[in-house]
Formats: sequence, C-alpha cells, structure tokens
Amino acid sequence: QLQLQESGPGLVKPSETLSLTCTVSGGSISSSSYYWGWIRQPPGKGLEWIGSIYYSGSTYHNPSPSLKSRVTISLDTSKNQFSLKLSSVTAADTAVYYCARQWEFTGDHWGQGTLVTVSS
Amino acid sequence: EIVLTQSPGTLSLSPGERATLSCRASQSVRNYLAWYQQKPGQAPRLLIYDASNRATGIPARFSGSGSGTDFTLTISSLESEDFAVYYCQQRSNWLVTFGGGTKVEIK
Repeated sequence: QLQLQESGPGLVKPSETLSLTCTVSGGSISSSSYYWGWIRQPPGKGLEWIGSIYYSGSTYHNPSPSLKSRVTISLDTSKNQFSLKLSSVTAADTAVYYCARQWEFTGDHWGQGTLVTVSS
Repeated sequence: EIVLTQSPGTLSLSPGERATLSCRASQSVRNYLAWYQQKPGQAPRLLIYDASNRATGIPARFSGSGSGTDFTLTISSLESEDFAVYYCQQRSNWLVTFGGGTKVEIK
C-alpha cells in the first residue's frame, strides 16, 4: 500500500529556507505514470498547490506572486524521496505542507501533512 | 490563472438529505476537474477525478458532473461521515488551482 510521509523542521525563521522531504513507501517515484506534488494549507484556510515534479525531473510551479522564484522541487530516486525548498520565508508561509502522488496532477494519495511555522 | 469559485460557502443539511455542491471555473477546463473531501486534522481525500469518475473505494452516493466551466458534486443521501469540507481542483495546462471550499455541516 502506497504511503507518503513528510519530514522536516516544524519551525523556520523569517528570511530562511524551508526544507521538507517526502518519503514514499510501497511504490516507486520513478514510475512514469505519476507526478509528485507539494500542496500547502494555511491554518483555517484553503488548499494551495506549490508545484510538482515528474519522474523525469521536469518541474511545474505555481506562478502565483507569493511563490514565484522561491520554490525548488527535486527527486532523489536512490532514497525514493522528493523534496521541497522554499526560500526567503515569511509568516505568510506558515501552513500545513502536504506531499502527494498525482496522476495527471490529481492527488490520489496524500501524506498526513506537517505544520511548518515561520517565526523568530 | 484559472480561478475556481465554489458555492455555497456553507451547506447546512440533515443526514439522509441530498447535497449539491457547485464549482465554476473562470475559463474552460474541459473535464479536468477533481473533487476532494477534507475532515478536520486530515489530509484531503480524492473523491472524483476528470469531472465524473469516482476514485477507488469511493461510495456510489458520491457523483460528479459537468464540463467546461460548470461542475457539480452530488451526495445523494448524506451519511454522518460525509460532513466535511469539499474542494474542487482543476489541472489545465500543467497548472493546478483549487476552489475555496464548501463546508457541509449538520443542520
């Protein structure tokens, strides 16, 4: 059974870089059928797509001004993991961050989510 | 950017009643529309993909319809576990956006 698990610091200081990893078990991230994505949800608010990566390494990002040019998504096939880096964080980046397997950008399996707070 | 507008914001219904949720896109997304259910403290769960296809394990009381710019999620007879927030999501041109959500609450 496919499982995804987010990991990383729960507290990040303003202006620093948020780094999260998603470990996939029960399936390979090298599968040509799927994308692997990051989605976030500020407390009490809705869902926001951050970006996705294909098994080939091609990446797709949310062009929103609030995210543009700050996002890096990468794959580590040797560890069956994919990662998110979000630079120059502010309090507005405080959210629950989810990783998900996506079939044609539709999330069919999700991690449980991890809360990241941006505060000094 | 394609904007998805969900209505109503909140739907107050009783168990056994029919729920009809709407999602409208600012431009055509063909049938590239999915619906998710989210309960407090949980990750979203995929219900419907490509407008009308139920995901694996989703009960038949959930159905989706629509194409282009207007979509509907229908829950034919609400069960207690169906009270939650529902989001629509489009995936057009390798970009993804979510609607703002509809909360289905117990009346």
